[in-house]
Amino acid sequence: TQLLEQSPQFLSIQEGENLTVYCNSSSVFSSLQWYRQEPGEGPVLLVTVVTGGEVKKLKRLTFQFGDARKDSSLHITAAQPGDTGLYLCAAPGTYKYIFGTGTRLKVLA
Amino acid sequence: EPEVTQTPSHQVTQMGQEVILRCVPISNHLYFYWYRQILGQKVEFLVSFYNNEISEKSEIFDDQFSVERPDGSNFTLKIRSTKLEDSAMYFCASSSSYNSPLHFGNGTRLTVT
Repeated sequence: TQLLEQSPQFLSIQEGENLTVYCNSSSVFSSLQWYRQEPGEGPVLLVTVVTGGEVKKLKRLTFQFGDARKDSSLHITAAQPGDTGLYLCAAPGTYKYIFGTGTRLKVLA
Repeated sequence: EPEVTQTPSHQVTQMGQEVILRCVPISNHLYFYWYRQILGQKVEFLVSFYNNEISEKSEIFDDQFSVERPDGSNFTLKIRSTKLEDSAMYFCASSSSYNSPLHFGNGTRLTVT
């Protein structure tokens, strides 16, 4: 069974702080995605990383795919209350996507 | 931007009753999925569907569950005899091709009493 473990599970920080969320697995993946989910809504895709070592930036969010394609990180610079939500990594399995355990982020004003 | 729509947004049912959750995927998408999420935690895969048949299903998707694409637009999840532990958010998703990103609906909150 392929598992994606995310850490930390919960994170509460002050506005303006930086943070990093991790997504780890013992399996190698062809790609990995990050989603954000807000209360009452479905997950929304933020980014897809494909190449080992790849770094992608989306405004204040920086995503990195590990060299061995087994792990990924999401770094947020100068977090804002609007970043609050559940962050999920996901990787392709057989005819499905496997989702990580999730990191619930709360950014306090 | 095209979106996945789900109805109803909230369904309350008694244990043992049948429920049908409905989804309208994005029109040109070919791959359809149901996921569930309990108490805002992990998103769990239930089933994937392509070319009018199930591609993959999880161990959660037992004989009480079924999926159907009754026409060219709807994709439904039926739970034949609901149990208390079926209470969850059920999300429908679609994608344009195998391994392309998923587009999720806003979910149906199922409460079994």
